[in-house]
Amino acid sequence: ETGVTQSPTHLIKTRGQQVTLRCSSQSGHNTVSWYQQALGQGPQFIFQYYREEENGRGNFPPRFSGLQFPNYSSELNVNALELDDSALYLCASSLGLDNRLENTEAFFGQGTRLTVV
Amino acid sequence: DAKTTQPNSMESNEEEPVHLPCNHSTISGTDYIHWYRQLPSQGPEYVIHGLTSNVNNRMASLAIAEDRKSSTLILHRATLRDAAVYYCILAGNYGQNFVFGPGTRLSVLP
Repeated sequence: ETGVTQSPTHLIKTRGQQVTLRCSSQSGHNTVSWYQQALGQGPQFIFQYYREEENGRGNFPPRFSGLQFPNYSSELNVNALELDDSALYLCASSLGLDNRLENTEAFFGQGTRLTVV
Repeated sequence: DAKTTQPNSMESNEEEPVHLPCNHSTISGTDYIHWYRQLPSQGPEYVIHGLTSNVNNRMASLAIAEDRKSSTLILHRATLRDAAVYYCILAGNYGQNFVFGPGTRLSVLP
């Protein structure tokens, strides 16, 4: 167990709706990253937050947005859901020192399985 | 696009060593090499990472070529619980925005 918890574990939404996914990072970790994993593929980077500020973004449209709170927990919001948004959404936490993360391990949660119908 | 290339699948017998290769010919001098694995229905799990020197931990060993254009993850004695998709990833430029490729699906035969 990594200490990273995600909620909910499963979710079904209708096309056009909005969804909020939550991530509680490992104690002491100041960085949270979000990934989308479609069935049978590797995870794709959505964005990362370091000390409450967005610190990098992948090739995802603006309807994917996020927040990191003072306790370093995080939310991923997706507006105007599309069928292709159906995927496993993964949150990963890590401890960055002076925003340097390349030499540290990331701890992933179990993910939220989102189904859009 | 992923900056690493790995075989799609590999097979091993239980209790035998497994060598999982990864090519990263465009690696930069400051990129760290990370390995993660993903068991069925779980999030990825950290295995090991390194920069230049070979690395060992309780899970595995990482052998890095002298020119750093390739690396090998070594599981010393494969168990059935090691059956997973193994991802080789480069991390650099201060970031941890991992670019996951399709990885190597390791099957372990009893």
